[in-house]
This record gives sequence, C-alpha cells and structure tokens, in this order.
Amino acid sequence: GAGVSQTPSNKVTEKGKYVELRCDPISGHTALYWYRQSLGQGPEFLIYFQGTGAADDSGLPNDRFFAVRPEGSVSTLKIQRTERGDSAVYLCASSLTRGDSGNTIYFGEGSWLTVV
Amino acid sequence: AQSVSQHNHHVILSEAASLELGCNYSYGGTVNLFWYVQYPGQHLQLLLKYFSGDPLVKGIKGFEAEFIKSKFSFNLRKPSVQWSDTAEYFCAVNPSGTYKYIFGTGTRLKVLA
Repeated sequence: GAGVSQTPSNKVTEKGKYVELRCDPISGHTALYWYRQSLGQGPEFLIYFQGTGAADDSGLPNDRFFAVRPEGSVSTLKIQRTERGDSAVYLCASSLTRGDSGNTIYFGEGSWLTVV
Repeated sequence: AQSVSQHNHHVILSEAASLELGCNYSYGGTVNLFWYVQYPGQHLQLLLKYFSGDPLVKGIKGFEAEFIKSKFSFNLRKPSVQWSDTAEYFCAVNPSGTYKYIFGTGTRLKVLA
C-alpha cells in the first residue's frame, strides 16, 4: 500500500484479555518499528525488526508484550493479560533499509488501545 | 540516558506571527535530527530532517530548522504561521549508527485565525 497500515484503529478490551495489533508496512521496507505513545508523551520505542528478526526488543516493557514478523512484511504486536496501564496509541513505522543508516521512518495512524 | 527536551508544551499564536519551537537533546555523538508533525486526527508526518552538511535545513510548508551542534539544539522555525499549522510537533533524534529514534514530548501549537 501507499502508507503504513495498522489495524484495528481502535480497540477497547477488558483488563486481563489478550490483544493483537497488526501492522502492514510500506511495500519494500525491510525495517519495521513499534512505538507506544501515551497521553501527553512522545512516541517511545518498543521493538525494531530488520527483516524477519527482532534486532532489538529492549523497549518492550515486560514479558506480556511480544511481537512477530514471520515473513518479513506484516508484523503483529501481541499483548497478554492486558492492564489499564497498557492503554495508549501503538504506532508502527517502517523504513526502506537498515534503521541505522539514517533513513526516514514513516508512521502509520496507530492503534488506539483502551483497557477498561 | 539519551533524551530529547521540548521546552514549550503549548504555544498559541495568531496568524502571521513568527514561530520558534525549541528542541535540545542529550547525546555526545553524531546524530540525525528530525521534526515530525501530527495534524489533528492524522498520523505523524515528516516535516524536515538533518543528516549532515548545511545546518540550516528547509522542510515542507515553509518550515526550517537549524542544527547548532555546540548547543545540542535543533529548533524549528517558521516566519509566518497559518491557521492550518495547528498541530502537534515532535522533535526526534537518531544517534548515528543506531536505529532508535528518541522523541521529545511534543509541542501543541494552536494558531488563531
């Protein structure tokens, strides 16, 4: 597609439930990122994929969070046993090549997650 | 730890006023610098970027930013704002050789018609 596509755009879930958020990057982009943006804050890094592998997952807050990118394109962020503090906008971004080469990253519109 | 500071959290201006939004970062090495804008209801979009060369960079919609290495700053400017510039503006730093983009907390700009 023309841009980074994220689904769902909005998700309301009950505390303790499991949630999956999907990201479809710009075609041909090998680098993919997940960020989280809480109210009044800037985006915070969660995880970076180069191809199929998670090159850096140091931003994932705890082991309830996990992300995959099995075929090097679409990625899914998975959150287990959701907590109210997980409520935020989850942003996906992609860039053409390696993320450390100074390439511009392009963001999707985000998935608004609300845990009630 | 690396961080990015945007000192102005909320700015209100009248149309045609000049704009300057501050951005300072803490990192001693070489960096790539970005300003992103988020219009109401839309996703983050790149406004301008600095990788190397001329420290004064020009972006879209009449925006420019100046990298002052000695001050660890990358301030955003526009000589004359328009109502359509109402948005949230984020400064981001990418330490060279890494893939992490560190964002500031953002500045909400409201331009009064």
